[in-house]
Amino acid sequence: DAGVIQSPRHEVTEMGQEVTLRCKPISGHDYLFWYRQTMMRGLELLIYFNNNVPIDDSGMPEDRFSAKMPNASFSTLKIQPSEPRDSAVYFCASSFEGSSYNEQFFGPGTRLTVL
Amino acid sequence: TQLLEQSPQFLSIQEGENLTVYCNSSSVFSSLQWYRQEPGEGPVLLVTVVTGGEVKKLKRLTFQFGDARKDSSLHITAAQPGDTGLYLCAGPMNSGYSTLTFGKGTMLLVSP
Repeated sequence: DAGVIQSPRHEVTEMGQEVTLRCKPISGHDYLFWYRQTMMRGLELLIYFNNNVPIDDSGMPEDRFSAKMPNASFSTLKIQPSEPRDSAVYFCASSFEGSSYNEQFFGPGTRLTVL
Repeated sequence: TQLLEQSPQFLSIQEGENLTVYCNSSSVFSSLQWYRQEPGEGPVLLVTVVTGGEVKKLKRLTFQFGDARKDSSLHITAAQPGDTGLYLCAGPMNSGYSTLTFGKGTMLLVSP
C-alpha cells in the first residue's frame, strides 16, 4: 500500500513568494495532520482535519498560513507571503478513527528553505 | 510548555554498546508511542505502550511504560548503525480520539 505522499520533497524560494505544499493521505484514513519540525521547537502541530473538515488550526503561526482539504485524498498547506523564519521541514500525517491509540502515519516531509 | 521531556537530547555511541533513552512527563497519559525518524524521512511508529508497568520488546529494542503512566524508556541492546535516527515519544492530549503531543526527541548516532 502507498503511504502518505508529499510533494515537493524540497522547496527553495525567496522571501515574499507563495509556497504550496501538497499531501495525499493513506486511502481510508479520515484524519489528516500538518506538522512543522525545527531543531528549536521540535515537531509542532499546525492544523488537523477530520473528514476533510478543519478541526483545530490553533497551531497555525500566522494568517500567512492556510490549509485546505478539498477531498479525502488531497490537502494543501499554503504560505503567502513566505519569510525566512518559515524555513523548516513540513510533515503531513494521516490516521483513522478506528485505530486504538491514535497512531499516525507520516509522509517523508517537504524541506522548505526561504531565502 | 513541553508536556513530554526526552533525554538525552543527543547520544553518540559505538556499535555494540547498550543505551537507554527516556521520556518523562508530569502528566498521566493513557498511552505513549515511540517513533523513529531516519534522516530525510518522516517518523515511523515503533510501538505503543498502554498499561502501567508494561514492557514490550521489538528485537533488540525494549520499551517500558512507567507504573504511574507518566514516563517511558527505550533500551537498545547491542546498537547497530541502522539504529541511527531521532527517537520521538508521543502521547494523546486527551482521552478519546485526539491529537498527539510529541517530545523533542533523542538523536542517536551509532558509529561502526
